[in-house]
Amino acid sequence: ETVMAQSPATLSVSPGERATLSCRASQSLDGNVAWYQRKPGQGPRLLIYGASMRATGIPARFSGSGSGTEFTLTISTLQSEDSAVYFCHQYNYGLGTFGQGTKVEVK
Amino acid sequence: EVQLVESGGGLVQPGGSLRLSCATSGFIFRDYSFNWVRQTPGRGLECISYIGTDGTTIYYADSVKGRFTISRDNVQNSIYLQMHSVTAEDTGLYYCARARPFDQWGQGTLVTVSS
Repeated sequence: ETVMAQSPATLSVSPGERATLSCRASQSLDGNVAWYQRKPGQGPRLLIYGASMRATGIPARFSGSGSGTEFTLTISTLQSEDSAVYFCHQYNYGLGTFGQGTKVEVK
Repeated sequence: EVQLVESGGGLVQPGGSLRLSCATSGFIFRDYSFNWVRQTPGRGLECISYIGTDGTTIYYADSVKGRFTISRDNVQNSIYLQMHSVTAEDTGLYYCARARPFDQWGQGTLVTVSS
């Protein structure tokens, strides 16, 4: 099973600042990495797919990067509505696997 | 508007059965594959089953293989998860999710396995 080690577990950032979330895979992926945002009481929302492609309707402040085993989600200027849990997801192998999540708190 | 709405969760005794449903609307159902994804205390987020557009391409995670069955109804625009022989480790929030990667999700239905 491909393990997705996501870090940090929690991140507290002031509004307008940058948030950087990381995911390291236990084996190389062909860029088949996605990032999701989940808010309380809601299903997850797809933000990024193909490591760097923004999903429909996702604001430009969300960006994804990386290749091989190292992937990053960056929120360039954090807004209050970005408080949520974020998950990385590899869909390159089998049914796919998820990171454990990063809770982002806007101060 | 695309919608996926899960139902059927609840309290079930160990060894019991439950059938989850996911009703969809707002898109051409037959054009998409679907998945059941759950969040459990022990395993976090886990994709446990996939069904292709043809309804015959089906995969299961080892954790549910032989106990759970996924199906789809292209008339009712719905997918289902039949769960048998449940254990406490199956307790969690169950989501249906469209395609791969998962571009649309429902809000989830809670399954609690307890005596």
